[in-house]
Amino acid sequence: DAKTTQPNSMESNEEEPVHLPCNHSTISGTDYIHWYRQLPSQGPEYVIHGLTSNVNNRMASLAIAEDRKSSTLILHRATLRDAAVYYCILMKTSGSRLTFGEGTQLTVNP
Amino acid sequence: DVKVTQSSRYLVKRTGEKVFLECVQDMDHENMFWYRQDPGLGLRLIYFSYDVKMKEKGDIPEGYSVSREKKERFSLILESASTNQTSMYLCATLRDEPPYEQYFGPGTRLTVT
Repeated sequence: DAKTTQPNSMESNEEEPVHLPCNHSTISGTDYIHWYRQLPSQGPEYVIHGLTSNVNNRMASLAIAEDRKSSTLILHRATLRDAAVYYCILMKTSGSRLTFGEGTQLTVNP
Repeated sequence: DVKVTQSSRYLVKRTGEKVFLECVQDMDHENMFWYRQDPGLGLRLIYFSYDVKMKEKGDIPEGYSVSREKKERFSLILESASTNQTSMYLCATLRDEPPYEQYFGPGTRLTVT
């Protein structure tokens, strides 16, 4: 399975944008890029996904490099409720199990 | 909204007891998963099921079994609980079509004493 690499932790201030990077240099053409987050004491929740083009939804934006070897999850205005572990995961377009890495612990300062 | 529910948020059991963790989903998804999550080890897949009565071992199946008699229900069984099975247990489903996102339950924190 293709692997992803994320920083262990990042810090942001409230109401500032946050850019969470992910490297996936061994991505294949059939892999979706998925992002999940896990709030304290909860199960992970789906945030956003992309294949080739940048994507926006109500939670976040996803910017995908032209060569697809990296991506960035963008939270436009961080809130205290965005403090969580963010996971970047590759999912085959045929559908299969997800493999979670350690993710990035995001701390949001008031 | 997809709903995945787990029978308990917190559970305390004694060593040697048989433990049942139940998971129910309401979205008719075919694939269901059981993970455990431990500090420093992330989420690890125990078992998954791709259809009723069908199951596959994940990365750490030892000491666990599963049951899927109905599509909406996936149970994790600890035949004889041990202290090293103290963990957070998470159930998840997988959407049946692209982009195949997973939906997780709230988790069960199991303590084995």
